[in-house]
Amino acid sequence: IVLTQSPAILSLSPGEVGTLFCGASQRVSHSYVAWYQQRPGQAPRLLIHDSSTRATGVPFRFRGSGSGTNFTLTINSLEPEDFAMYYCQQYASSPTFGQGTRLDVK
Amino acid sequence: QIQLVQSGSEVKRPGASVKLSCKTSGYMFSAYGINWVRQAPGQGLEWLGWVSEYDGNTQYAQNLQGRLTLTTDTSTNTVYMELRSLKSDDTAIYYCARGISAVLTPADYWGQGTLVTVSS
Repeated sequence: IVLTQSPAILSLSPGEVGTLFCGASQRVSHSYVAWYQQRPGQAPRLLIHDSSTRATGVPFRFRGSGSGTNFTLTINSLEPEDFAMYYCQQYASSPTFGQGTRLDVK
Repeated sequence: QIQLVQSGSEVKRPGASVKLSCKTSGYMFSAYGINWVRQAPGQGLEWLGWVSEYDGNTQYAQNLQGRLTLTTDTSTNTVYMELRSLKSDDTAIYYCARGISAVLTPADYWGQGTLVTVSS
């Protein structure tokens, strides 16, 4: 399954709402989609699994949604530490990652 | 606390093999699975494979079948990744990462990464 993330770069200001998209080339069964955040020089951090379940310790401002072939990560009221790379991953079949969305400070 | 500590950086010639380790601690080994993910310089994430801590069952990315072997050592709670016939585009940071359950699932705890450089 090929995942395509959009936009490639998202430029926003702190306090705004960020909406990141992940499209799959075929239906992702059970909505087995995860979202990760990666800051420069760090390992990825799991934010969301099963499309909408927040991982332990993830702030409520991170919300995942979607099903079928369309998935969304919404970040409400962006904090300075949220500006990073974001990757979606499907694990319904042999896992694959999207190419990433870079969330930049405007 | 839960930790995954990976072995140090490696420099290899093309055609050689590399074996990386990932020592786990802070949880019951054999109750989870370990993913391996790599990231080439300035690039995105690539899933390589998964191994069950419980029975050593494995799944591999199709493009690495035949070159990649994942194993576990339950006596030391360590997982190993061996990649053979190295090519320059295998140069990357390699991460081990614990899945959130015993089956192939996303990873919630990650090692610090091991840089593998393949160069002649």
